[in-house]
Amino acid sequence: EVQLVESGGGLVQPGGSLRLSCAASGFTFSNYAMRWVRQAPGKGLECVSGISGSGDSTYYADSVKGRFTISRDNSKNTVYLQMNSLRAEDTAVYYCVKRPDTGGWFDPWGQGTLVTVSS
Amino acid sequence: EIVMTQSPATLSVSPGERATLSCRASQSVNSNLAWYQQKPGQAPRLLIYGASTRATGVPARFSGSGSGTEFTLTISSLQSEDFAVYYCQHYNNWPVTFGGGTKVEIK
Repeated sequence: EVQLVESGGGLVQPGGSLRLSCAASGFTFSNYAMRWVRQAPGKGLECVSGISGSGDSTYYADSVKGRFTISRDNSKNTVYLQMNSLRAEDTAVYYCVKRPDTGGWFDPWGQGTLVTVSS
Repeated sequence: EIVMTQSPATLSVSPGERATLSCRASQSVNSNLAWYQQKPGQAPRLLIYGASTRATGVPARFSGSGSGTEFTLTISSLQSEDFAVYYCQHYNNWPVTFGGGTKVEIK
């Protein structure tokens, strides 16, 4: 069974940093691209970052470019999201998702980790 | 960036009735369109990909159609567990984007 388990969320002050982790199991991790999708409280979904299976290619939404960095450690079956210069508008549940090799849909989704940016 | 627009924002339907949800893209996304269901306190769940292919384990009462810029998700006979928020997502290019969602509520 494919499982994605996020961790690292919490309360951080504006301008602070946080690193999210997503531990994957149940599939050959290095073969699949991964994405981070966030959802602000009561709002819709936004894909903020992505990384290829090898880690050679990375993608960022304009809203986080220059502040967030995605990376992966295929030896640990883990993808990370380093978030710097955090703003109140970054407050959201952050989901780790797996992208299939034949398309760009997301399946499955992790349970999410809440990031709250507030003083 | 391709903008995805879903309508209506809220759909009130009685159990057993048919629900039709719409999703429009600001430019063609071909058939690179997925639908997700999200229940309160849960992560989204994939229902449909490729505009019309049901994901594993999704009941046959869910069907998707459309291509280009106009897409539809149909739930043929609403069950109690189907009351939720539904999102469409294009994956034609980066950035992938989602619609704002349609909440299907009990009438």
